[in-house]
Amino acid sequence: GDSVTQMEGPVTLSEEAFLTINCTYTATGYPSLFWYVQYPGEGLQLLLKATKADDKGSNKGFEATYRKETTSFHLEKGSVQVSDSAVYFCALSTPYNNNDMRFGAGTRLTVKP
Amino acid sequence: EAGVTQFPSHSVIEKGQTVTLRCDPISGHDNLYWYRRVMGKEIKFLLHFVKESKQDESGMPNNRFLAERTGGTYSTLKVQPAELEDSGVYFCASSPLPGGYNEQFFGPGTRLTVL
Repeated sequence: GDSVTQMEGPVTLSEEAFLTINCTYTATGYPSLFWYVQYPGEGLQLLLKATKADDKGSNKGFEATYRKETTSFHLEKGSVQVSDSAVYFCALSTPYNNNDMRFGAGTRLTVKP
Repeated sequence: EAGVTQFPSHSVIEKGQTVTLRCDPISGHDNLYWYRRVMGKEIKFLLHFVKESKQDESGMPNNRFLAERTGGTYSTLKVQPAELEDSGVYFCASSPLPGGYNEQFFGPGTRLTVL
């Protein structure tokens, strides 16, 4: 079945460090890919998305490129801030799954000053 | 515009008891989803409503779970009787259109602890 595998955490970085959180997927057809973020005490928020191969999603300095050839959607940020500390979830959705979201296990990021 | 709200935020019950979780979607959103995250693992789909109808309930773990959405507005998820393995965070999401290429808007979740 369709699934998402993402890098296990937790990840601890210093402020201004470069961030990569790996995400790979298995899916029937052509999924849409998403990164959601959960800040402490809050619900999941959509961070960025890409709906077709080679699309790049970007938001708040984060980027991820839909790579069909490697079935990946890695999340990157060039310079993290303390306020980026959160849990990040990679997810996919396809009409073949009745459009429900398939999530990875989540990666907890802690950024220290 | 108010986001998706969930009540309660936390619930602690004993094994064998009943708990009812509530989700209020964003007004006008016909699609409502329930998800669950157990013990830091992946968030798993439970079911999907379109208005008051269950579109897909393939993720419901067993018949101790009952979801309703009377009138197509808010939804409830009842667990009866609760078991230890039901502990986790239950998320609700809504969207104006079915998922797929469209964003789902999530609530803050209800943390359920079964002792």
